[in-house]
Amino acid sequence: AQSVTQPDIHITVSEGASLELRCNYSYGATPYLFWYVQSPGQGLQLLLKYFSGDTLVQGIKGFEAEFKRSQSSFNLRKPSVHWSDAAEYFCAVGVGRDDKIIFGKGTRLHILP
Amino acid sequence: DTAVSQTPKYLVTQMGNDKSIKCEQNLGHDTMYWYKQDSKKFLKIMFSYNNKELIINETVPNRFSPKSPDKAHLNLHINSLELGDSAVYFCASSQLDTQYFGPGTRLTVL
Repeated sequence: AQSVTQPDIHITVSEGASLELRCNYSYGATPYLFWYVQSPGQGLQLLLKYFSGDTLVQGIKGFEAEFKRSQSSFNLRKPSVHWSDAAEYFCAVGVGRDDKIIFGKGTRLHILP
Repeated sequence: DTAVSQTPKYLVTQMGNDKSIKCEQNLGHDTMYWYKQDSKKFLKIMFSYNNKELIINETVPNRFSPKSPDKAHLNLHINSLELGDSAVYFCASSQLDTQYFGPGTRLTVL
């Protein structure tokens, strides 16, 4: 069955430090992969997506993610976080049927001043 | 120029009532969805419609009924509300495998 695992429920980093949020997926075919961000009390905003091609994808707000098929991973990275990056981050996989997306349980990012 | 909009943003109601949440998208997308986000932030798809036709209907109680009057609208009607229905409900629309979400409706059942 298709699934998405985000192993870290909470991550705390200092402002200006680098960030990596982990995501592993389980899907038999080539996945469509997404990262969404949800700020407190807000909807979900698409950060970036991978469909095919270059395995390193660039997104908005300085985020990037790398697709590694051998590890079934799609980790999100940012070289230097800002206080405004504090939010909930969701990894998701598109399972290719009717655009259905399965979400991970999210990682809450806390930023220390 | 809001892409996906939902009304109301907040909805507080008593158990047993019937309520509706409206969703509209101005992106010209063919497919729309409803998701439920529980208190632990877990997002789960409920329904999807493509060109007013029901495509995905996950394991959702019959009390929940989506209605799509046209391609740009997908409303969610909930009958006989229960405490467990309290959640944030997100509408989304998609084209070419990418989904765009509305701001959410926080439903509180007392």
